[in-house]
Amino acid sequence: EPEVTQTPSHQVTQMGQEVILRCVPISNHLYFYWYRQILGQKVEFLVSFYNNEISEKSEIFDDQFSVERPDGSNFTLKIRSTKLEDSAMYFCASGGGSNQPQHFGDGTRLSIL
Amino acid sequence: EDQVTQSPEALRLQEGESSSLNCSYTVSGLRGLFWYRQDPGKGPEFLFTLYSAGEEKEKERLKATLTKKESFLHITAPKPEDSATYLCALANSGGYQKVTFGTGTKLQVIP
Repeated sequence: EPEVTQTPSHQVTQMGQEVILRCVPISNHLYFYWYRQILGQKVEFLVSFYNNEISEKSEIFDDQFSVERPDGSNFTLKIRSTKLEDSAMYFCASGGGSNQPQHFGDGTRLSIL
Repeated sequence: EDQVTQSPEALRLQEGESSSLNCSYTVSGLRGLFWYRQDPGKGPEFLFTLYSAGEEKEKERLKATLTKKESFLHITAPKPEDSATYLCALANSGGYQKVTFGTGTKLQVIP
């Protein structure tokens, strides 16, 4: 069964550094998403991406964050100048249509020291 | 603002003891209500989508139902492998892409 894959599974970074989280969505999907889950809290929406542009973003997704689909298979989340409070699990998801369910990867655990 | 509230926070069942998980929600217009299963250290795994009140979906020991204010996930004769956190989430019909999640119900099934 097709799945969303994310790398790395765990990323440890010094505060103030930049990180790039990578995702390979399901190949025929057109909608791409990033969510985060702080330990013990609920999954929170960050951004949706369709037709090579951001279609929606939450208040969490400020200028520190950016997304990119650099080629036909990858989808990335860049976090500039990381802060301690950026420590969380970051999930990538993809969907085949706006009314289709979103399928999630197993996440990247980001630890900011 | 869209809201999803799940209860109970945690549920412990004996193997074979059926029960239901509750998801109450408020939304201006419902595009879809979703149930996911999440195992520790993993991403949410899609289970069901429900689109309108009265709709029901089934998969193995799980059955999801929907009313205008709530959704239930019924678990019949659960097994230890059903132990996981079950997440309820919704999408708004107002053209928004985001999915709003509840905090989940952590289910433990004891042999």
